[in-house]
Amino acid sequence: TQLLEQSPQFLSIQEGENLTVYCNSSSVFSSLQWYRQEPGEGPVLLVTVVTGGEVKKLKRLTFQFGDARKDSSLHITAAQPGDTGLYLCAGGSNYKLTFGKGTLLTVNP
Amino acid sequence: EAGVVQSPRYKIIEKKQPVAFWCNPISGHNTLYWYLQNLGQGPELLIRYENEEAVDDSQLPKDRFSAERLKGVDSTLKIQPAELGDSAVYLCASSLSRWGGRDTEAFFGQGTRLTVV
Repeated sequence: TQLLEQSPQFLSIQEGENLTVYCNSSSVFSSLQWYRQEPGEGPVLLVTVVTGGEVKKLKRLTFQFGDARKDSSLHITAAQPGDTGLYLCAGGSNYKLTFGKGTLLTVNP
Repeated sequence: EAGVVQSPRYKIIEKKQPVAFWCNPISGHNTLYWYLQNLGQGPELLIRYENEEAVDDSQLPKDRFSAERLKGVDSTLKIQPAELGDSAVYLCASSLSRWGGRDTEAFFGQGTRLTVV
């Protein structure tokens, strides 16, 4: 069974601070996705990384895929209240997506 | 382009009653997923379809849950009879799966929030 562990589970910060959340697994994935989910909505895809060591930037968000394709991190610079939400990582392998439990981020104004 | 559409958005039923959820995936997406999400948790896969074939239903409680995807497009998920522990959000997602197994980017609907009382 492929498991993804996300940390921290909860994170509450002030507007303007930087943060990093992590996604770790003992399994190798062919791709890894990061999603953000707001209350009452379905998860929305932020990025997909497929190559070990790959770094992708999306405005203030930086995503990194570990060299061994087992782990990933999401770094947010100068967090804003609009970044508040549940951040989920999901590992893809043979069309199957396995989700972590998520990091619930709250950015206070 | 329309996204994944689910209905209803909310459903409240008494225990032991049946309930059904409907999903219309993004046009052209051959893979369809049903996920269950409890509060504060990540989605858990119930069943995955490739076109009209259920290729992974190992996590579907088959004694009370059933699903179908007629003609490889729309899908329904049914619970009969519902139990109190079934209260959760049921998410449908679709993706376009290409050769290589890397295109597993899923697009989600808004979900159906089920409350069993």
